[in-house]
Amino acid sequence: EAGVAQSPRYKIIEKRQSVAFWCNPISGHATLYWYQQILGQGPKLLIQFQNNGVVDDSQLPKDRFSAERLKGVDSTLKIQPAKLEDSAVYLCASNPSVTNTEAFFGQGTRLTVV
Amino acid sequence: GNSVTQMEGPVTLSEEAFLTINCTYTATGYPSLFWYVQYPGEGLQLLLKATKADDKGSNKGFEATYRKETTSFHLEKGSVQVSDSAVYFCALGGGATNKLIFGTGTLLAVQP
Repeated sequence: EAGVAQSPRYKIIEKRQSVAFWCNPISGHATLYWYQQILGQGPKLLIQFQNNGVVDDSQLPKDRFSAERLKGVDSTLKIQPAKLEDSAVYLCASNPSVTNTEAFFGQGTRLTVV
Repeated sequence: GNSVTQMEGPVTLSEEAFLTINCTYTATGYPSLFWYVQYPGEGLQLLLKATKADDKGSNKGFEATYRKETTSFHLEKGSVQVSDSAVYFCALGGGATNKLIFGTGTLLAVQP
């Protein structure tokens, strides 16, 4: 079974530029999560989708971050404009359903804002 | 709100030593508890889980018991190997959306 795919693996941008990350969850998984992991900290949930609807985006900085899940499958996370403090690893995870207790993670995208 | 507190690292051990990484939680209701592991350059992998009080999760020689009375889920292994060197995250999941809340992670370094 293929795992959660993310791209790119690494990205370096200047502050105030924009950037987008892509995630392809495990086939058939209804729930998709985006997490932000700052160096030395645990992952923090940014947004959770159930199919193509948003379930939780309470910690998403909506003035600069946006996310969508096209047709309930792939998802993109965008930052515009980026700030230095956005430097982090962005993790995508998926789960068969919201009632399942396990999430499967991709390898993440490491973003460096200079 | 729900939260997870785990012991700070790094934890440095010699091969074959006994490992304990402490994890306590604060939660309403009855969350599920997890340990995830992150090897260098890789994504998070589920190591073990427990879904109700007194459950013991186990995998690859690691164990953790869901203790409701002490709100703890400590990770243990009887004899660590160099290949166990990684960052270990305690997490809880539950509630209406079943989102995962992570601790800050504990770096384990095992020396030969």
